[in-house]
Amino acid sequence: DVKVTQSSRYLVKRTGEKVFLECVQDMDHENMFWYRQDPGLGLRLIYFSYDVKMKEKGDIPEGYSVSREKKERFSLILESASTNQTSMYLCASSLPGGETYHEQYFGPGTRLTVT
Amino acid sequence: GQNIDQPTEMTATEGAIVQINCTYQTSGFNGLFWYQQHAGEAPTFLSYNVLDGLEEKGRFSSFLSRSKGYSYLLLKELQMKDSASYLCAVGDSNYQLIWGAGTKLIIKP
Repeated sequence: DVKVTQSSRYLVKRTGEKVFLECVQDMDHENMFWYRQDPGLGLRLIYFSYDVKMKEKGDIPEGYSVSREKKERFSLILESASTNQTSMYLCASSLPGGETYHEQYFGPGTRLTVT
Repeated sequence: GQNIDQPTEMTATEGAIVQINCTYQTSGFNGLFWYQQHAGEAPTFLSYNVLDGLEEKGRFSSFLSRSKGYSYLLLKELQMKDSASYLCAVGDSNYQLIWGAGTKLIIKP
């Protein structure tokens, strides 16, 4: 059974703290993604990675950074958490694209609250 | 700009049929996905359409018309466990997924 895991289901942090969200997949997928999901909005892509040590900005990268030191692990970092980063964070992975798409497999999500 | 529209919420009765529509305007098209997301859980893949027509998978079917920028997800013989949000996503010219806000489907007995 394919699996994407995230380090925490719920997280509460204070404004200004540095926050690390970890994601691990066991499917040997090249592609990994970080999204945030807010009510009334679609999933918004923060960063993605097509390979180890490779990263690309998504639609809303401001205030975030990422790290991919190993193929199975993709970390999202909030350098200085702010209240507008309170959200559900979803990690996903997929096989590499090309001429066709492959479905993305999602982790269970981390609900982050910044106070 | 890029835009995907789907109804915010729909209500249907157990045992009935419901159709959830999705219209899109994107820079390029590399297929359309439907995902199901139960409250508090991760989205899970339902279907992928890249050619026009209807794809059937058990109680769920998905239709695509590329010329009209339109897709629908058809759910038959509704069950209470089908209560969830249904997300439409389109692959754009950069092979990135553009997501709709999702349709919350409420099933009543």
